[in-house]
Amino acid sequence: NAGVTQTPKFRVLKTGQSMTLLCAQDMNHEYMYWYRQDPGMGLRLIHYSVGEGTTAKGEVPDGYNVSRLKKQNFLLGLESAAPSQTSVYFCASSPLGGTNEKLFFGSGTQLSVL
Amino acid sequence: GENVEQHPSTLSVQEGDSAVIKCTYSDSASNYFPWYKQELGKRPQLIIDIRSNVGEKKDQRIAVTLNKTAKHFSLHITETQPEDSAVYFCAAIPYSGGGADGLTFGKGTHLIIQP
Repeated sequence: NAGVTQTPKFRVLKTGQSMTLLCAQDMNHEYMYWYRQDPGMGLRLIHYSVGEGTTAKGEVPDGYNVSRLKKQNFLLGLESAAPSQTSVYFCASSPLGGTNEKLFFGSGTQLSVL
Repeated sequence: GENVEQHPSTLSVQEGDSAVIKCTYSDSASNYFPWYKQELGKRPQLIIDIRSNVGEKKDQRIAVTLNKTAKHFSLHITETQPEDSAVYFCAAIPYSGGGADGLTFGKGTHLIIQP
């Protein structure tokens, strides 16, 4: 049982390039989330999904897109990367039901945009 | 929306002493308050949580207290050990049965345990 797996772990982009971060969970969780973590800013929600085929905007969605074609996968896309998107990105999931606020995080992706 | 303030941003204590981290929240509808621990270079992990129907919860050396009237909650770590060194995040959410998309995090406290 791997839990929540993110790929890649590190990536360097040039301004204007595009990329996709992949998140996979094997816990059959209904909810999935993408956060970014910046120094002194805590964790901020980018986008989330309440089930297969659904997506919704979080606190800081601009410049990002997401897709949830399969229940176990949640993709985060950057169409035209900017230096302001340099950050650590965490994917998380939570189950359907009584403890659905409890987040299980992936190991993170360190992204640098030059 | 909810606003969560966390203090202090950095806390240094001697090994064996106690550490207290405090958070305040703004939305009186918030009723679930988790604490996450993030070791250097690692993922955040839930260490303890409390719901608004109780005032205190303990798990070995860690405890969380909640004062709903004053809208603040605190994390207490007793007999601190080197492995307690980490960044700790508090969070708050009005429970709606619909997942954690409404979870608002504090900005984190870097706890340093001095040998």
